[in-house]
Amino acid sequence: GNSVTQMEGPVTLSEEAFLTINCTYTATGYPSLFWYVQYPGEGLQLLLKATKADDKGSNKGFEATYRKETTSFHLEKGSVQVSDSAVYFCALTYTGGFKTIFGAGTRLFVKA
Amino acid sequence: SQTIHQWPATLVQPVGSPLSLECTVEGTSNPNLYWYRQAAGRGLQLLFYSVGIGQISSEVPQNLSASRPQDRQFILSSKKLLLSDSGFYLCAWSRGEDTEAFFGQGTRLTVV
Repeated sequence: GNSVTQMEGPVTLSEEAFLTINCTYTATGYPSLFWYVQYPGEGLQLLLKATKADDKGSNKGFEATYRKETTSFHLEKGSVQVSDSAVYFCALTYTGGFKTIFGAGTRLFVKA
Repeated sequence: SQTIHQWPATLVQPVGSPLSLECTVEGTSNPNLYWYRQAAGRGLQLLFYSVGIGQISSEVPQNLSASRPQDRQFILSSKKLLLSDSGFYLCAWSRGEDTEAFFGQGTRLTVV
């Protein structure tokens, strides 16, 4: 079946550090891949997406590349800010499916 | 533009009392609608989804039910709340299969 696995948190970084949150997936066919962000007490917001292999999604300094050969979609940011502290969810959708498959979420803390 | 409204934002209910959470979407027609629950510090659990009026799919057997009386209205209900029903409830919509989801701000339910 379809599934998403992402690194467990929490991840604690100092401001301006480099961020990587690993995400791998299992899917039949060619899924679309997403990263969502959830700030404290709020719903999820779409951060970026990629719909086919080798696509790079980017937004607000975050980026992730759809790697079919390694079935991965790792989230990266070159220099994190305190305001990036949130929970990050990797997710996929697939043709013929109405559901989004979410990873367990990774909590990020950024210290000033 | 499309917006999603979810209310109330916070709710404290006694064990055994009924529940009704409402979600409405504006600016689109025939959306797919979803109810998720998020326990404290945990990931998302899909509870129900609907691809059309009166069509409800349940993902997990439990104390809750959902209804879709109108195209852009999705209601989560319970006849008798349990302590284990406490959590953060999120409504979401999407345009169709294999597309991103848009989330409401969530309802924090505490059953006491």
